[in-house]
Amino acid sequence: EAQVTQNPRYLITVTGKKLTVTCSQNMNHEYMSWYRQDPGLGLRQIYYSMNVEVTDKGDVPEGYKVSRKEKRNFPLILESPSPNQTSLYFCASSSSGGFTDTQYFGPGTRLTVL
Amino acid sequence: GQQLNQSPQSMFIQEGEDVSMNCTSSSIFNTWLWYKQDPGEGPVLLIALYKAGELTSNGRLTAQFGITRKDSFLNISASIPSDVGIYFCAGQHSGAGSYQLTFGKGTKLSVIP
Repeated sequence: EAQVTQNPRYLITVTGKKLTVTCSQNMNHEYMSWYRQDPGLGLRQIYYSMNVEVTDKGDVPEGYKVSRKEKRNFPLILESPSPNQTSLYFCASSSSGGFTDTQYFGPGTRLTVL
Repeated sequence: GQQLNQSPQSMFIQEGEDVSMNCTSSSIFNTWLWYKQDPGEGPVLLIALYKAGELTSNGRLTAQFGITRKDSFLNISASIPSDVGIYFCAGQHSGAGSYQLTFGKGTKLSVIP
């Protein structure tokens, strides 16, 4: 089954404790992306990747890092999480970045930073 | 970053009524997308628009890419209870090699049976 998986689905942590949210897709997609969703703000793009070792900033990259060492994985790293990073995070992938192909979203990761 | 204004923020309508929502941008986009998000799920693509003036339908949904490339609307005809959810517009702005995607804040649709 074609899918995008994220782990963990729920995470409660404390300020400053480094964490990684994993994202994996099994569709051999080149394009992957991370979004955060906050009430009243919709989805905002954090980072995206056009292919292995190619990443670029979205609208809200501050406080986040990403890496794309393999095509299927695109982890989101918070080196020193802060309470304003409490949010619902979505990973997405598509064949290309041109959006002629459907972008598949993962199930979401709800992060709380205390 | 890019600014997308989506309206209305929420709508309560009677089953069977038509619905219209729109997005406007402060800058030009070269692709407009419309997504629907159900509770607890990620967004699902409904319609994609690729050129100014384009009018595209998907069942009861119709969307248009504005002539100025700064706006788009989505219409839903004869609404049914399963149309309930949050609808997002999204735009990909112009720029060589750029695939940044900006979302509107969403329109929450409630359908009264």
